[in-house]
Amino acid sequence: GQQVMQIPQYQHVQEGEDFTTYCNSSTTLSNIQWYKQRPGGHPVFLIQLVKSGEVKKQKRLTFQFGEAKKNSSLHITATQTTDVGTYFCAGLSRQEYGNKLVFGAGTILRVKS
Amino acid sequence: DSGVTQTPKHLITATGQRVTLRCSPRSGDLSVYWYQQSLDQGLQFLIQYYNGEERAKGNILERFSAQQFPDLHSELNLSSLELGDSALYFCASSAFEGYTEAFFGQGTRLTVV
Repeated sequence: GQQVMQIPQYQHVQEGEDFTTYCNSSTTLSNIQWYKQRPGGHPVFLIQLVKSGEVKKQKRLTFQFGEAKKNSSLHITATQTTDVGTYFCAGLSRQEYGNKLVFGAGTILRVKS
Repeated sequence: DSGVTQTPKHLITATGQRVTLRCSPRSGDLSVYWYQQSLDQGLQFLIQYYNGEERAKGNILERFSAQQFPDLHSELNLSSLELGDSALYFCASSAFEGYTEAFFGQGTRLTVV
């Protein structure tokens, strides 16, 4: 079945350093979504990418969707302690009778001040 | 507040028992997804419903079943519980089968003892 692989599993950075997490799908995706889960919380939607090669920015966060629509990345510039949490990508693929939103395992980000 | 309501928030039960987790989606959302999150793990897709019909299945055990009712609320039934079923179970809803963002509930923390 469809798999969405996400690396790295963990990342510890010093406050002010950059951070990147990568997401790869075994199949072509209709779209890719990114979510953030704070410790003890639930995943919260960050952004959705739909077009091949799309790049979107949210302040210090930059999201990219690959040309083949099978990979994506999230880059955070100059991390802050408020960035702590788990970042999930979620790929939407068409199934025979509906669409399936499959999440990657997530990247846990810890920021040392 | 995401608008997705899950009950109960916490559940402690013994091995071999059966439990039912309930999810009320956001008003107007037709899609409901169920995910399992074990300790420090990613989100495992279990099953998706759209307007009362099952649309996609993930790695859901045969001991688990779900349904979506005419009022669009959904229930996840877990039977013959094992220690390994202890996890956080999230429900999420979206308007258009994954083409828009998914909103997550606070989750149900299931502990099997």
